[in-house]
Amino acid sequence: QSVLTQPPSASGTPGQRVTISCSGSSSNIGTNYVYWYQQLPGTAPKLLIYRNNQRPSGVPDRFSGSKSGTSASLAISGLRSEDEADYYCAAWDDSLSSVVFGGGTKLTVL
Amino acid sequence: QVQLVQSGAEVKKPGASVKVSCKASGYTFTTYGISWVRQAPGQGLEWMGWISAYNGNTNYAQKLQGRVTMTTDTSTSTAYMELRSLRSDDTAVYYCARSHDGRAPWFDPWGQGTLVTVSS
Repeated sequence: QSVLTQPPSASGTPGQRVTISCSGSSSNIGTNYVYWYQQLPGTAPKLLIYRNNQRPSGVPDRFSGSKSGTSASLAISGLRSEDEADYYCAAWDDSLSSVVFGGGTKLTVL
Repeated sequence: QVQLVQSGAEVKKPGASVKVSCKASGYTFTTYGISWVRQAPGQGLEWMGWISAYNGNTNYAQKLQGRVTMTTDTSTSTAYMELRSLRSDDTAVYYCARSHDGRAPWFDPWGQGTLVTVSS
């Protein structure tokens, strides 16, 4: 199983706001930045959020990230059909000296 | 624009080795590192390791220590990942990604991926 814990699935209707959680520990999320990736079907992952809550240029402000303690969240507002994808959280783990990923959350837009 | 282009799909037998290339363009190659991430069919992402394109320093995932080697060729702005003693569970899509920091999963952009199939 993955070091970071995400719900396997999430869903929402167009226009809704959905959040995806990512739970870790003191050796990863508790002390290091969290990153989020979006993977559309059949494509490579794309950076969505870096350093907890920063958006790369070109990422809509409908996407936002936050962190508190050993957990983090990705929020998507004004949900669109094109947001249907797999979402992964990631962080550095000081104990493992390794990048660790969450297991991924499949977002379905109903 | 910044782009990473990977080599094509490979089919290998168990016990063999595979070497995947990742050619960078659109930025100064030596000012970033390259990380490698793999994804088994229907599974999540697994970090394999990182190499500094500046000085060749590496950091490999403990699980792959001894089987993986990452190198760079600064003359052609190309990174390589070689995985030896292949097993069936190494079947995956292998991605390279420009890495801002050797101790953070700040990967942007990613290559298109290379499917490596290990089968007898």
